[in-house]
Amino acid sequence: DTAVSQTPKYLVTQMGNDKSIKCEQNLGHDTMYWYKQDSKKFLKIMFSYNNKELIINETVPNRFSPKSPDKAHLNLHINSLELGDSAVYFCASSQGTGANSPLHFGNGTRLTVT
Amino acid sequence: AQSVAQPEDQVNVAEGNPLTVKCTYSVSGNPYLFWYVQYPNRGLQFLLKYITGDNLVKGSYGFEAEFNKSQTSFHLKKPSALVSDSALYFCAVRDHSGYSTLTFGKGTMLLVSP
Repeated sequence: DTAVSQTPKYLVTQMGNDKSIKCEQNLGHDTMYWYKQDSKKFLKIMFSYNNKELIINETVPNRFSPKSPDKAHLNLHINSLELGDSAVYFCASSQGTGANSPLHFGNGTRLTVT
Repeated sequence: AQSVAQPEDQVNVAEGNPLTVKCTYSVSGNPYLFWYVQYPNRGLQFLLKYITGDNLVKGSYGFEAEFNKSQTSFHLKKPSALVSDSALYFCAVRDHSGYSTLTFGKGTMLLVSP
């Protein structure tokens, strides 16, 4: 009965490869997010989708492409992986785009690029 | 632009003593303020939020936070710390616009000693 689930939990790959991370939420929320947490634990928003529509796209290299097939899923595809992409990527969801809605986070995907 | 400052990288407290984790914010207009906790290898968990109304907000696991508009602060408190409270704590702020992002502080590690 996990609320926000991400797969895989760990991802180790070489530079130049393409990889995807999947996220699913069963909370009935209509807004989903991708956050990146770097080695110093700093969290930064990458993307946000509301009802499958992209609403927030922060300054992220276009090698990163999110896709939301439906309200419950938000996947992240990364092309041509670089060493600097190594981080923990968190998916989150919330009800609506209202600013007072708390986010519910998945347990993260630790990406290591060698 | 909105921002959050957590001035302490780490807070050490003995079990049974009161704890405070500090947070100050900067935002246009009135803020929505949140505290989240992150345990090792886990996603962030929502603790509490301030929307409007009473300046003292009560949340999960016995935590509370005090909103101080004049000092632009939202410090997290607990009257009696537990060893199990040891974790990384994040303060976050959002403005009242519809599609605003949640901006996190850099996090404060709380270590509670037995």
